[in-house]
Amino acid sequence: AQTVTQSQPEMSVQEAETVTLSCTYDTSESDYYLFWYKQPPSRQMILVIRQEAYKQQNATENRFSVNFQKAAKSFSLKISDSQLGDAAMYFCATNGGATNKLIFGTGTLLAVQP
Amino acid sequence: DAGITQSPRHKVTETGTPVTLRCHQTENHRYMYWYRQDPGHGLRLIHYSYGVKDTDKGEVSDGYSVSRSKTEDFLLTLESATSSQTSVYFCAISEGQLVAKNIQYFGAGTRLSVL
Repeated sequence: AQTVTQSQPEMSVQEAETVTLSCTYDTSESDYYLFWYKQPPSRQMILVIRQEAYKQQNATENRFSVNFQKAAKSFSLKISDSQLGDAAMYFCATNGGATNKLIFGTGTLLAVQP
Repeated sequence: DAGITQSPRHKVTETGTPVTLRCHQTENHRYMYWYRQDPGHGLRLIHYSYGVKDTDKGEVSDGYSVSRSKTEDFLLTLESATSSQTSVYFCAISEGQLVAKNIQYFGAGTRLSVL
């Protein structure tokens, strides 16, 4: 079975500062991906970043980067130069298997203070 | 943005009534999914489809059924709605499970209240 754990229900960051959201996972799949999705108040689920488990290099998308520690089954998201528009719920997720279904964590609500 | 339309966007219904939620895509993607989102649980998979008339259960499928008669439409039915099915329902699509094709794109969600 696959599980995803986000141990920080809420986080807060000052505008222009850096924040890191934590995620740990467990999976029996040998080939899998890890994802961070953002859900702003509009409720729309937006893909932030994706990491292929067999790649050691950490994924980066503009101000968003991950710290992927495969042995520790850790997948944290770093947001640099935080902006007011980054305020949202962030979900960590993993997939795997033939069906590509996603297993989500419970989310971290990020507040950005001006 | 992926062409995914969920309807209705909001619905209030009474316990015991049947409810059908519709997901329509214009991307011709093979895989379609229904998730529910509840506080403290994140999103959980209800049912998914891997082709026309090919569906399977997810982790929280009790009380729900699905149908997919066309590539573009995936219907979620609550045969007899209960208050525990009050939730936000998301449809998602993906092209496949291969590299560069396994990203799931989500619809805007349907907020369902069962009174």
